[in-house]
Amino acid sequence: DAGVIQSPRHEVTEMGQEVTLRCKPISGHNSLFWYRQTMMRGLELLIYFNNNVPIDDSGMPEDRFSAKMPNASFSTLKIQPSEPRDSAVYFCASSLDRGPGYTFGSGTRLTVV
Amino acid sequence: AQSVTQLDSQVPVFEEAPVELRCNYSSSVSVYLFWYVQYPNQGLQLLLKYLSGSTLVKGINGFEAEFNKSQTSFHLRKPSVHISDTAEYFCAVSDLSGATNKLIFGTGTLLAVQP
Repeated sequence: DAGVIQSPRHEVTEMGQEVTLRCKPISGHNSLFWYRQTMMRGLELLIYFNNNVPIDDSGMPEDRFSAKMPNASFSTLKIQPSEPRDSAVYFCASSLDRGPGYTFGSGTRLTVV
Repeated sequence: AQSVTQLDSQVPVFEEAPVELRCNYSSSVSVYLFWYVQYPNQGLQLLLKYLSGSTLVKGINGFEAEFNKSQTSFHLRKPSVHISDTAEYFCAVSDLSGATNKLIFGTGTLLAVQP
């Protein structure tokens, strides 16, 4: 089991550019979560998918953020245009439907300059 | 809605000393409770979880936690810490009755083990 795989591990981009973060959940898991971690706000849930359908996107901060899950093995989180305040570590996690506890990926550290 | 409070943002402790990291939660329904550990520049790793049954839960790396329903607490303990336990520890709660298994995290406690 390769675990939850996120790419890239690090991303540095200029303000205004589009950024796409990628996640491959554990095979067989049908719930997928995107979290953002910052010093100021801690871990924030951005969006939650179940069976590839977005269930709760109330944590998505602005329209600049969008997430998709075209199939059970892939999800993207896109920021367009990016801003310096988007700098954070973005985590993807997956779990079995209603299964307690998640498995987290190693995260993508995003720096917007 | 659920919430989690970790009162201590940082806990310094000497190597081989015991430690307790505090976690209190708020919920109007039954919950699952979790502790995750995050080592520097890594993702979160499940340390232990309480689902039901015995209120004393044992996890990896010698950690344990006790669920106290009357005090709505789930404190994490270790009798003797090592330098390698230095990390950020997150308490989390999940709603048992809801349609989702969304996890709500506390703000984290940095355990700093000193030689």
